[in-house]
Amino acid sequence: KNQVEQSPQSLIILEGKNCTLQCNYTVSPFSNLRWYKQDTGRGPVSLTIMTFSENTKSNGRYTATLDADTKQSSLHITASQLSDSASYICVVRLGGSQGNLIFGKGTKLSVKP
Amino acid sequence: NAGVMQNPRHLVRRRGQEARLRCSPMKGHSHVYWYRQLPEEGLKFMVYLQKENIIDESGMPKERFSAEFPKEGPSILRIQQVVRGDSAAYFCASSPLGTEVYGYTFGSGTRLTVV
Repeated sequence: KNQVEQSPQSLIILEGKNCTLQCNYTVSPFSNLRWYKQDTGRGPVSLTIMTFSENTKSNGRYTATLDADTKQSSLHITASQLSDSASYICVVRLGGSQGNLIFGKGTKLSVKP
Repeated sequence: NAGVMQNPRHLVRRRGQEARLRCSPMKGHSHVYWYRQLPEEGLKFMVYLQKENIIDESGMPKERFSAEFPKEGPSILRIQQVVRGDSAAYFCASSPLGTEVYGYTFGSGTRLTVV
């Protein structure tokens, strides 16, 4: 069964600290993996997209890693800001022409002052 | 570019009524996808449409749900005879190409509440 599991479910950190969110997937065939940020009451916004051959990709203070062998990905947030408070969703795209997206349930991050 | 526009943002319907959710894709995008997000759950794929065509509706419930993307106007997700279990956030996404190599752009969603 194609699944995307994220941990932790929720996380509280202090402003300025770093954090790492985890994603494990059992999706086959694999096309790409993406991380989205979803603010409360808004639609998801793409942070990074990584294909099978990419190990790491950065977008400002966000750095995503991908280990296609162990089927794990992480999202590292550096020097967190209050505006980073949101749900972070790991999404894996199935290979093939239609390529459905399989969404994780997300990690809810709260950054406190 | 106004992005993907969904309306209404919030919709309240009584059981048995019809719900119509609208999605206008980004300018230049001809591929539209609908997703449903139940409370505390991840987004689930419902349907993928191009102009005047349904490409993949494998995620649509067999009854009461339908979707269209006419030649002119927005894409419509229609839910007939709504039940409490239909209460959810419905997100629309669009992309310029069917392979969405460039990724989707999501709208802000319509939150449907069935009372």
